Amino acid sequence: AQSVTQLGSHVSVSEGALVLLRCNYSSSVPPYLFWYVQYPNQGLQLLLKYTSAATLVKGINGFEAEFKKSETSFHLTKPSAHMSDAAEYFCAVRGSQGNLIFGKGTKLSVKP
Amino acid sequence: NAGVTQTPKFRILKIGQSMTLQCTQDMNHNYMYWYRQDPGMGLKLIYYSVGAGITDKGEVPNGYNVSRSTTEDFPLRLELAAPSQTSVYFCASSYSGSQGQTQYFGPGTRLLVL
Repeated sequence: AQSVTQLGSHVSVSEGALVLLRCNYSSSVPPYLFWYVQYPNQGLQLLLKYTSAATLVKGINGFEAEFKKSETSFHLTKPSAHMSDAAEYFCAVRGSQGNLIFGKGTKLSVKP
Repeated sequence: NAGVTQTPKFRILKIGQSMTLQCTQDMNHNYMYWYRQDPGMGLKLIYYSVGAGITDKGEVPNGYNVSRSTTEDFPLRLELAAPSQTSVYFCASSYSGSQGQTQYFGPGTRLLVL
């Protein structure tokens, strides 16, 4: 069975600082991993996904994530935070029913 | 393309009432999903469908029913609303269920059961 753990329910950074959101997964098969972002009162939007090609995945809005099999991790990073990055971020792994199995989410706050 | 649309955006129900949450996609996707999102819990799968006429249960199906008579529509039915069904409901779709397929989400329906 697959599962996802997001470390830290709330992360706060200053504008211009590095953003690091942590995600660890558990999967008995090669995983397919996703990061989604949710802005207040909106649906989820795909940031990036890992589908067994390159281990470093680049997404929208300057975000990227690196798949590390040895650490079972898929952390999300952005070199310089912007105020518009404030949102909730969800890591997910593809489940056996074609669905997504989500972590509990990390709320990112960006201080001016 | 409008993508995935959901109606209503917000609804208040009394305990025991019933309602249908509507979901429509215009991307000709075969797979459709219903999730519920509770604070601090992420999203959990309620039901899914791999094509018209085919539906199956997800992780938390109790208290819900679905149907899929067309490719475009995937309504979710609550028969006897309970306070535990207070949540935000998201519909999603994807072209297939294969490994790297992106799921596209609707804007959600916020439901309050009192």
